[in-house]
Amino acid sequence: KNQVEQSPQSLIILEGKNCTLQCNYTVSPFSNLRWYKQDTGRGPVSLTIMTFSENTKSNGRYTATLDADTKQSSLHITASQLSDSASYICVVSRSSASKIIFGSGTRLSIRP
Amino acid sequence: DAGITQSPRHKVTETGTPVTLRCHQTENHRYMYWYRQDPGHGLRLIHYSYGVKDTDKGEVSDGYSVSRSKTEDFLLTLESATSSQTSVYFCAISESEVTGELFFGEGSRLTVL
Repeated sequence: KNQVEQSPQSLIILEGKNCTLQCNYTVSPFSNLRWYKQDTGRGPVSLTIMTFSENTKSNGRYTATLDADTKQSSLHITASQLSDSASYICVVSRSSASKIIFGSGTRLSIRP
Repeated sequence: DAGITQSPRHKVTETGTPVTLRCHQTENHRYMYWYRQDPGHGLRLIHYSYGVKDTDKGEVSDGYSVSRSKTEDFLLTLESATSSQTSVYFCAISESEVTGELFFGEGSRLTVL
């Protein structure tokens, strides 16, 4: 079954600290993996996209990694800011049957 | 920001009434999607469109219908709303079904009493 599992479900950290969010998937055949950020009351916005051959991609303070062999991805946030408080959603696309599968997201709260 | 507009943004209705949500895009993207988002669930696909008058069902399509008569507009209709359809609905667009990035609207919050 094609699934995307994210952990933790929620996370609270202090402003300025780093954190890492996890995404494990069983989607096959794999096409690409994206991380989205969703602020409360808003639509998701893309942070990074990685294909099979890419294992690291950065977008400012956000760094995503991908291990296609173990089917795991992580999103590392450096020097967190209050504006990083949001849900982070891992999304995996299949290369056949054209299906996009969403994880349930990690709710991140940054405390001052 | 991608040009996607959802309307209405908020709606409260009663069980059994029809409801139509509209998604309008100015990007001329081929693919359009309707998702619902509920606590504890990831975004779930209701219906999608791969061209004018070309639509297909998603994983939670029961109780919903869609229409796309123009490239820029994708309508989601609840023929007879039920309380289980209380949710936040997101429209998304994409140039490519698999490799393309999804651009989301701001969401439409629907409450069915």
